[in-house]
Amino acid sequence: AQSVTQLGSHVSVSEGALVLLRCNYSSSVPPYLFWYVQYPNQGLQLLLKYTTGATLVKGINGFEAEFKKSETSFHLTKPSAHMSDAAEYFCAVSAAPYGNKLVFGAGTILRVKS
Amino acid sequence: EAEVAQSPRYKITEKSQAVAFWCDPISGHATLYWYRQILGQGPELLVQFQDESVVDDSQLPKDRFSAERLKGVDSTLKIQPAELGDSAMYLCASSFTGALGTEAFFGQGTRLTVV
Repeated sequence: AQSVTQLGSHVSVSEGALVLLRCNYSSSVPPYLFWYVQYPNQGLQLLLKYTTGATLVKGINGFEAEFKKSETSFHLTKPSAHMSDAAEYFCAVSAAPYGNKLVFGAGTILRVKS
Repeated sequence: EAEVAQSPRYKITEKSQAVAFWCDPISGHATLYWYRQILGQGPELLVQFQDESVVDDSQLPKDRFSAERLKGVDSTLKIQPAELGDSAMYLCASSFTGALGTEAFFGQGTRLTVV
């Protein structure tokens, strides 16, 4: 079975500050890892994903994440927060033999202060 | 830009009534997913279709929920009878294939309130 833990249900940063959203996963087989963003009353949009290969993954809107197998982590970062980054962020995992089924964490709400 | 269409966006229904949601995936996408997102939680997969066949409905409460994708294109999710605990956002997603790692594109969801 797979699971995802997102540390911190709410994170608050100042505009221009570093964004760090934490994600740890559990999987008995090599995982595929995803970060999605959700704006209020909207669907989810893919920010980035790790499948195989390079462990540092770059996504849209200046976000990136690093897969660390030894730490079972996939933390999301952005060097400089923008007001438009305020949203809820979800980390998700999928792995064989479960196909493309995504198992999501509980989410982290990012607040950006001016 | 192609997108997953869902309707209605919002639905209020009384408990014990029947309710249905509709989803039209991105053209050419063989795999369709229904997720339920309870307030304050991450989405949870209810059912996954490959073309018109169900490949995973292990988390679907089959005593009251049903889903179909008769022609392998659009899909309907039904709840009968609705219960207060069914209040949630119902998200439809589609992907080109069901292969591991394929990007799933999400619709805007249907927010259901059961009163």
